[in-house]
Amino acid sequence: DIQMTQSPASLSASLGETISIECLASEGISSYLAWYQQKPGKSPQLLIYGANSLQAGVPSRFSGSGSGTQYSLKISSMQPEDEGDYFCQQSYKFPYTFGAGTKLELK
Amino acid sequence: QVTLKESGPGILQPSQTLSLTCTFSGFSLSTYGMGVGWIRQPSGKGLEWLANIWWDDDKYYNPSLKNRLTISKDTSNNQAFLKITNVDTADTATYYCARIGTIAAILLFDYWGQGVMVTVSS
Repeated sequence: DIQMTQSPASLSASLGETISIECLASEGISSYLAWYQQKPGKSPQLLIYGANSLQAGVPSRFSGSGSGTQYSLKISSMQPEDEGDYFCQQSYKFPYTFGAGTKLELK
Repeated sequence: QVTLKESGPGILQPSQTLSLTCTFSGFSLSTYGMGVGWIRQPSGKGLEWLANIWWDDDKYYNPSLKNRLTISKDTSNNQAFLKITNVDTADTATYYCARIGTIAAILLFDYWGQGVMVTVSS
């Protein structure tokens, strides 16, 4: 199985701050990488697919980058509604695997 | 408008079989390229992919659950199903179904259900 190592496990950011979350795959995944946001008590919502493509309706302050084994999610200006858990997921090989998640809080 | 909704038994006992239903609208599992996946999440923990089923009835399973999983669909009623045999307390989780969309050959879970909580307890 492809292991997805996500960091940091938790993050506290101030309003307007730029933050990054990293995801490291145990082998190359050719940008078959998605990012999801999950708010408390809610289901995950797709933010980014194909490593850097923004899902329709997602604010442009979210962006993704990376290639090979290293990927990142950036929020360019932290907003209160961005609090929640963030997960990366690879769809390059079965079984699909997720990162352990990053809890993002507003400072 | 794409929606999905999971349903299940709520509580069941160890060794029983868990049967989950995903009822969806806004797309059809008879349409080329469409699929539905099942993902679960123990409380306070991460996400685990379980299985996918495709428009052509192709199926993929997470081998970590060995032969306990069976995924199926009822295209005419817009439903997908997941059965997990011989459950134990480790199967306690919220279970989600999600539509598998395809953009530029990239598979993604683009719409998710609200989830159904399942507790395994004696």
